[in-house]
Amino acid sequence: GAGVSQSPSNKVTEKGKDVELRCDPISGHTALYWYRQSLGQGLEFLIYFQGNSAPDKSGLPSDRFSAERTGGSVSTLTIQRTQQEDSAVYLCASSLGQGANEQFFGPGTRLTVL
Amino acid sequence: AQSVAQPEDQVNVAEGNPLTVKCTYSVSGNPYLFWYVQYPNRGLQFLLKYITGDNLVKGSYGFEAEFNKSQTSFHLKKPSALVSDSALYFCAVRSYNKLIFGAGTRLAVHP
Repeated sequence: GAGVSQSPSNKVTEKGKDVELRCDPISGHTALYWYRQSLGQGLEFLIYFQGNSAPDKSGLPSDRFSAERTGGSVSTLTIQRTQQEDSAVYLCASSLGQGANEQFFGPGTRLTVL
Repeated sequence: AQSVAQPEDQVNVAEGNPLTVKCTYSVSGNPYLFWYVQYPNRGLQFLLKYITGDNLVKGSYGFEAEFNKSQTSFHLKKPSALVSDSALYFCAVRSYNKLIFGAGTRLAVHP
């Protein structure tokens, strides 16, 4: 079956521009996660969605970052007024609920801010 | 605070030899522990997890991991390494709504 998909695979933008990253989770997975992978910071949690519950935004690094999940499926991560330190690989994952269930990761979006 | 440590940045092993990638954790309560592998320009692939029960957990591609509560460790092992096992390996612990990852260990298997 289809795994987690993300688009675009690569995004190059200029400092100060807004970007949107998209994630399509595995069908039937109620939990969706965004992580960021960078050389200096390793793998960091950003945000978590579970069903219709309020998202856990505790990992978002600043108010320039936001995310939404429409209809309990597709999610969009938006970064406003991008900065060079936002350059990283943004990974999306989904799982069957929470707790002990393993998370399945997409291939990531590599964001480069010039 | 929950945390995971992978003390080795890189592990080198000859093909056919056993391999171990180390992981220690610090959590309150019973841990949910995971190993993931990342190949170049790819996302993370799930290898195995420990939730409860038998301390030796078997996973994908012949990998296994041993949970040791007294040493707070969850080392990844494989009896006979393959060149194709060369990749970046991450240990992780579940903390509320997220995974907390170690810094990663690069495994290099030489022919």
